[in-house]
Amino acid sequence: DAKTTQPNSMESNEEEPVHLPCNHSTISGTDYIHWYRQLPSQGPEYVIHGLTSNVNNRMASLAIAEDRKSSTLILHRATLRDAAVYYCILRYNTDKLIFGTGTRLQVFP
Amino acid sequence: DTAVSQTPKYLVTQMGNDKSIKCEQNLGHDTMYWYKQDSKKFLKIMFSYNNKELIINETVPNRFSPKSPDKAHLNLHINSLELGDSAVYFCASSLRGRQSNEKLFFGSGTQLSVL
Repeated sequence: DAKTTQPNSMESNEEEPVHLPCNHSTISGTDYIHWYRQLPSQGPEYVIHGLTSNVNNRMASLAIAEDRKSSTLILHRATLRDAAVYYCILRYNTDKLIFGTGTRLQVFP
Repeated sequence: DTAVSQTPKYLVTQMGNDKSIKCEQNLGHDTMYWYKQDSKKFLKIMFSYNNKELIINETVPNRFSPKSPDKAHLNLHINSLELGDSAVYFCASSLRGRQSNEKLFFGSGTQLSVL
């Protein structure tokens, strides 16, 4: 499975946009880019996924670089509830998600 | 209604005991998983079942035995518990399992403490 690289931690103030980067330079043409987050004391939660085009949903936006070697999860207005560990994961027709170490996002009031 | 539910939420037990963790999903999904999150917060897949059949066994010690009585349930039985088994165990499910654009839905976890 292709690997991803994320910063260990990031900080944001409440109501500001947050851009969480992910590098995946060895991505193959059929790997989907998935983002999950894990709130404190909870199980991982799906956020968004995409293949080539940018994606938007009610939780976030996913911006995918043209060469697909990197992507950015965008939280448009961070809230305290968005404080979590965010995982960027590549997946191609496998039965499993392989989690890395993720980015711990702190949100300050 | 909770989509993926695990019981118990907390489990404290002595070394050498045998314990089980139960998982149920009401999403009608075909595939279920067990993940382990250790003290360093690293999430690692243990098992995957598709329609009651074992699909993935990630070199987990054979003291761990998953059981799937039907596709809505995947229980985890652990024999002869060891200190190193202390972790949070997460159950998850997905619609089919092999589609790379599918989401996984996770339970809230079972925190196992072996004393």
